[in-house]
Amino acid sequence: DQQVKQNSPSLSVQEGRISILNCDYTNSMFDYFLWYKKYPAEGPTFLISISSIKDKNEDGRFTVFLNKSAKHLSLHIVPSQPGDSAVYFCAASGELSFGAGTTVTVRA
Amino acid sequence: DGGITQSPKYLFRKEGQNVTLSCEQNLNHDAMYWYRQDPGQGLRLIYYSQIVNDFQKGDIAEGYSVSREKKESFPLTVTSAQKNPTAFYLCASSGSSGLEKLFFGSGTQLSVL
Repeated sequence: DQQVKQNSPSLSVQEGRISILNCDYTNSMFDYFLWYKKYPAEGPTFLISISSIKDKNEDGRFTVFLNKSAKHLSLHIVPSQPGDSAVYFCAASGELSFGAGTTVTVRA
Repeated sequence: DGGITQSPKYLFRKEGQNVTLSCEQNLNHDAMYWYRQDPGQGLRLIYYSQIVNDFQKGDIAEGYSVSREKKESFPLTVTSAQKNPTAFYLCASSGSSGLEKLFFGSGTQLSVL
């Protein structure tokens, strides 16, 4: 049973606009969430994280929002750049649960 | 230069053959993990180890085996019992706190001949 779900397999956005990626989880005991970025044939790299005691964490163009009551988190990328084209995974604490990923394509 | 190294980058397996994927880290991390990625799918946990000489099954451990004799090394053997081994395999490591981010290797693409 998948505890972390990314229901949108793909997202296409124009360069300069905002990308919003969503992630839902079922286990309210998760206390830390992370986003990873992955290019083809490479390993994922850490992007940004958020503790469950916060509702927002920002790092440059990337912001993660956490809504604990809805068991939902989202990643905002603004402005989107061509180099942001990749697969994005959300993960829950302990690194044992990953979402299926969302493929982002940034159009020039 | 600290990091996590997987080898080989590409591997081919014949029917009935066991193959071993290497994973080495020099980050002094206690925890190591193996994930499998299939085309268009996310990462699924095969095995993980939080300390030397100890490891636990993940969601899809059947047909795989691991060992953790050294802190730096966590090899994965894909046995002949794994009927659908073609996938991209990722090894990762992290500190022991459980809240630390994973560092991933560059992956091994395994294909069946």
